[in-house]
Amino acid sequence: NAGVTQTPKFQVLKTGQSMTLQCAQDMNHEYMSWYRQDPGMGLRLIHYSVGAGITDQGEVPNGYNVSRSTTEDFPLRLLSAAPSQTSVYFCASTRRGQGWTGELFFGEGSRLTVL
Amino acid sequence: SQQGEEDPQALSIQEGENATMNCSYKTSINNLQWYRQNSGRGLVHLILIRSNEREKHSGRLRVTLDTSKKSSSLLITASRAADTASYFCATVEETSGSRLTFGEGTQLTVNP
Repeated sequence: NAGVTQTPKFQVLKTGQSMTLQCAQDMNHEYMSWYRQDPGMGLRLIHYSVGAGITDQGEVPNGYNVSRSTTEDFPLRLLSAAPSQTSVYFCASTRRGQGWTGELFFGEGSRLTVL
Repeated sequence: SQQGEEDPQALSIQEGENATMNCSYKTSINNLQWYRQNSGRGLVHLILIRSNEREKHSGRLRVTLDTSKKSSSLLITASRAADTASYFCATVEETSGSRLTFGEGTQLTVNP
């Protein structure tokens, strides 16, 4: 089982460039989410999705776009990168439905540096 | 703002000792979870305790929940060097529906 796969693992961007962080899961999880992790601030929710075609904003959505065209994939797009978006990004997923608990399965992270 | 706040921010102990980490939160919750993160890796789910539970065990882990004080503790007994990691509490709020909110974490170092 691959679980949650994130690509790329490392990326350096210049201010103003755009890019997409990819996230794929093979567990048929309905729920997928993106977090960013910054020193001293824990993990903050960027966007999440409860199923294909459905997305919603988290705590820090500005500067990021998401879409969910399939159950498996949940890409995160940075339209115009800024140094404040330098962070480690984590994708996480879980099964939803009756008795949903929110127990998340995480990818290994994508470390992004914006110069 | 963060829902959960861990205490202490950092903890250093010797192998064989017990490690206790605390988490406080602000709003009513459905459940509280603890995660572990090794350096440079993703988070791994350790244990979940529901709002109607007071204590839960899993191997060397013991979690307590006091909803009246809005706090939880994670106890790791007989710690090992391999337990060195960051530990995060996370809550599913009653009103959030689909959000899991994390605290800032406790960095645990277990010295051999």
